[in-house]
Amino acid sequence: KQEVTQIPAALSVPEGENLVLNCSFTDSAIYNLQWFRQDPGKGLTSLLLIQSSQREQTSGRLNASLDKSSGRSTLYIAASQPGDSATYLCAVRSTGANSKLTFGKGITLSVRP
Amino acid sequence: DAGITQSPRHKVTETGTPVTLRCHQTENHRYMYWYRQDPGHGLRLIHYSYGVKDTDKGEVSDGYSVSRSKTEDFLLTLESATSSQTSVYFCAIRETGYNEQFFGPGTRLTVL
Repeated sequence: KQEVTQIPAALSVPEGENLVLNCSFTDSAIYNLQWFRQDPGKGLTSLLLIQSSQREQTSGRLNASLDKSSGRSTLYIAASQPGDSATYLCAVRSTGANSKLTFGKGITLSVRP
Repeated sequence: DAGITQSPRHKVTETGTPVTLRCHQTENHRYMYWYRQDPGHGLRLIHYSYGVKDTDKGEVSDGYSVSRSKTEDFLLTLESATSSQTSVYFCAIRETGYNEQFFGPGTRLTVL
């Protein structure tokens, strides 16, 4: 059974800092990995999708990497801003018919002005 | 934003009453999902659909049923609500293939 871990559960950084959020998974047989952002009381917003054949994806100040063999992904946020404060979740889609996402519990990020 | 709406957005009900939550999409995506999100447990899959009238159970399906009679609508029913079903419920959609999954805004359900 796939398990996804995100540590630490919470992180506080000063504005302007570059930061890395980690995600690890136990089964490397995956189709892809998706990073989401969730603001308090809101739904999940898709940030980046990395296919299993890819090493990284970039969108603006965000860069996500994937090392399938070691079961790890990182989300890099450059020049963090208070508006980046949110919970960040990673989810992996394992191989198989009608495959489903397995989610980590998320990292709650606070960027201090 | 992906065209997903959920209704109602908030509901308070009493133990033992039936409750139906609706998810509606305008994207014509094949797959639809129902999740619940609870502190300490994260997001857990309740049921999902891979086509009209094609549904299957997720990891926390007990006490829930679903129906999908049209591509655009996926209904989640609590036949007899219990306090343990107090949660935030999210619907999600995905197109066939190795594509992104998109989420709706959520429904906050309180069972007294």
